[in-house]
Amino acid sequence: EAGVVQSPRYKIIEKKQPVAFWCNPISGHNTLYWYLQNLGQGPELLIRYENEEAVDDSQLPKDRFSAERLKGVDSTLKIQPAELGDSAVYLCASSSSTGGTEAFFGQGTRLTVV
Amino acid sequence: GESVGLHLPTLSVQEGDNSIINCAYSNSASDYFIWYKQESGKGPQFIIDIRSNMDKRQGQRVTVLLNKTVKHLSLQIAATQPGDSAVYFCAENEGGGNKLTFGTGTQLKVEL
Repeated sequence: EAGVVQSPRYKIIEKKQPVAFWCNPISGHNTLYWYLQNLGQGPELLIRYENEEAVDDSQLPKDRFSAERLKGVDSTLKIQPAELGDSAVYLCASSSSTGGTEAFFGQGTRLTVV
Repeated sequence: GESVGLHLPTLSVQEGDNSIINCAYSNSASDYFIWYKQESGKGPQFIIDIRSNMDKRQGQRVTVLLNKTVKHLSLQIAATQPGDSAVYFCAENEGGGNKLTFGTGTQLKVEL
C-alpha cells in the first residue's frame, strides 16, 4: 500500500512569490493534516480536514495561507505571497478515523524562501 | 494553551544499552498518545501508541509507559542500536477527535 505522497520534495522561491504543495493521503483515510515543522522543533498543526471539511484551521495564517481538499481526497496548501519566515518543512499526514488513531506522514516538502 | 513537552533535548547512549525518553503533557483531556521517530529528511514514523485506559504497552524492543497521575509519558528502547538514532516526538490526541499535538522532540544519539 502506498503511503502519504507529497510533492514537490523541495522548493526554492523568492519572497513575495506564490507556492503550492500537494498531498495524496493513504487511500480510505478520511482525516488529512497539514503540519509545519521548523528546524529542531515538533510539527505544528496548520489545518485538519475530516473528508472535505476543514474542522480545525485555527493555526492557519489565513492572510497568506489557504488550503483545499476537493472531493475529500487530495489536498493542496498554498502560500501567497511567501515570506522569508515561511521557510520550513511542510508535512502532510492522514489517518483512518476519528476518535484517535495513528497518523501516517509523508516525506514533507522543504520550502526555502530567499 | 495546553502543550506537550520533553524533559531532555538530547540523549546519548551506548550501543546495546537501554534508552528512556520522557515526555510531559498538560492536557488532561488527552486520551491517546503516540511516539514518533523522525530521521533526517524524513517524515515522522509511528513507533507505538497507548490509550489512556492503559499504563503500559509493549512492542518490539519498545515500551511506552503512561502515568496519568503526573501526566508523564515515556518511551523505553531496549538494546539501542545505531539505527535508533533519530529525533523522537511524543504526541497527544485530545479526547473525541483527531487533534494531534506534538512536543518539541528529543535527539537520541547512539554511540558505538
